[in-house]
Amino acid sequence: QVHLQESGPGLVKPSETLSLTCVVSPDSISGFFWNWIRQPAGKGLEWIGHIDPVGNTDYHPSLESRVTMSLDTSKNQFSLDLMSVTVADTAVYFCARGPVWFDFWGQGILVTVSS
Amino acid sequence: HSALTQPPSASGSPGQSVTISCTGSSSYTSTYKYVSWFQHHPGKAPKLIIYEVNHRFFGVPDRFSGSMSGNTAFLTVSGLQAEDEADYYCSSYEGPKTVMFGGGTRLTVL
Repeated sequence: QVHLQESGPGLVKPSETLSLTCVVSPDSISGFFWNWIRQPAGKGLEWIGHIDPVGNTDYHPSLESRVTMSLDTSKNQFSLDLMSVTVADTAVYFCARGPVWFDFWGQGILVTVSS
Repeated sequence: HSALTQPPSASGSPGQSVTISCTGSSSYTSTYKYVSWFQHHPGKAPKLIIYEVNHRFFGVPDRFSGSMSGNTAFLTVSGLQAEDEADYYCSSYEGPKTVMFGGGTRLTVL
């Protein structure tokens, strides 16, 4: 069983950068695609993007101008940076493994954008 | 890039069968057949139940099945049980290089 755990600040100010990390255990992060997915309150799931085993990324078209994902194989983790956030970015953020289907997920972390 | 359309709600009595649809508006859905289904109990991590249209993920009861016709995928839950009450989401490769989710279907067990 693969375990994923999100971490990061629960409160971010408007116009600042939301930064989250997902630590994977016990399996190695190498060789897989890793995703970020979010769910605003009362709404559905939204795929943010993924990073492949060699660090190439693909992002949701509506977010790609503000999103950066990175991989740290030495720490077995991957990260999300979402720039210039607004209240519309308030959501539960999940990390998940997979190319186009997501077999293991983190529990999710609530990030609120507010001044 | 296209969206996936699901009905907002579905319901059934214990023991009955319920089918939830997921319609893609592009040819990617039917061409690549990378449709997945997830069960989500609010406050918990979503769980993969079906991948690649009709493959059950490990440990998923055979009461759950997936199928596809044209651009529409279907999730059928047979022998409904109380614990099946949850939100169900489909997802698909909707290319290029993009994954989309449906809006979700709230399944109520009456």
